[in-house]
Amino acid sequence: DSGVTQTPKHLITATGQRVTLRCSPRSGDLSVYWYQQSLDQGLQFLIQYYNGEERAKGNILERFSAQQFPDLHSELNLSSLELGDSALYFCASGWPQGIAGELFFGEGSRLTVL
Amino acid sequence: AQSVTQPDIHITVSEGASLELRCNYSYGATPYLFWYVQSPGQGLQLLLKYFSGDTLVQGIKGFEAEFKRSQSSFNLRKPSVHWSDAAEYFCAVGARAGGTSYGKLTFGQGTILTVHP
Repeated sequence: DSGVTQTPKHLITATGQRVTLRCSPRSGDLSVYWYQQSLDQGLQFLIQYYNGEERAKGNILERFSAQQFPDLHSELNLSSLELGDSALYFCASGWPQGIAGELFFGEGSRLTVL
Repeated sequence: AQSVTQPDIHITVSEGASLELRCNYSYGATPYLFWYVQSPGQGLQLLLKYFSGDTLVQGIKGFEAEFKRSQSSFNLRKPSVHWSDAAEYFCAVGARAGGTSYGKLTFGQGTILTVHP
């Protein structure tokens, strides 16, 4: 158990819809990262938040957005969903007390867009 | 920009045989280096990491990796593979202090390990 909790574990929805994925980081970790894993793209970094502020952006589509709340949990919002958005979305946390180190991954949220 | 290459998409070994998974990275300085393992339907678990110091690092489950600066490599090894090691393995590079990439990991495409009995 990594200590990172992601919900929901599985999600099936239709094209054009909007979903929200939730992540609770490990206790004490200040940073949350979102990754997308698909067969053709592999593990792609989407976005990073550190202590409530956006720190880095990767290959995140404009239809996607995220935020980190004061209690440090994070949400990834995916809108106007397309078939190609079907993937496994991972949340990871790190930076306990502001010290960079390894990332701890949740078990992922598997999104299927029909 | 940092990048990671895992040249082998799929490797098959017999149980008890030795294993080496290759990883080459591109980064302007000495990076943080990691190996993660992902079992089917699971998240990524950290096997080992290199930050500084001894270039041969030991990890969990009997794995080790060696950082070779001259070759920009961080290959993962295990002397005797067990059937339970079958999984997908990811090498990752992280940026050191400074810049907006600090703390972010860039992953290779992964190597799928199949273990034959």
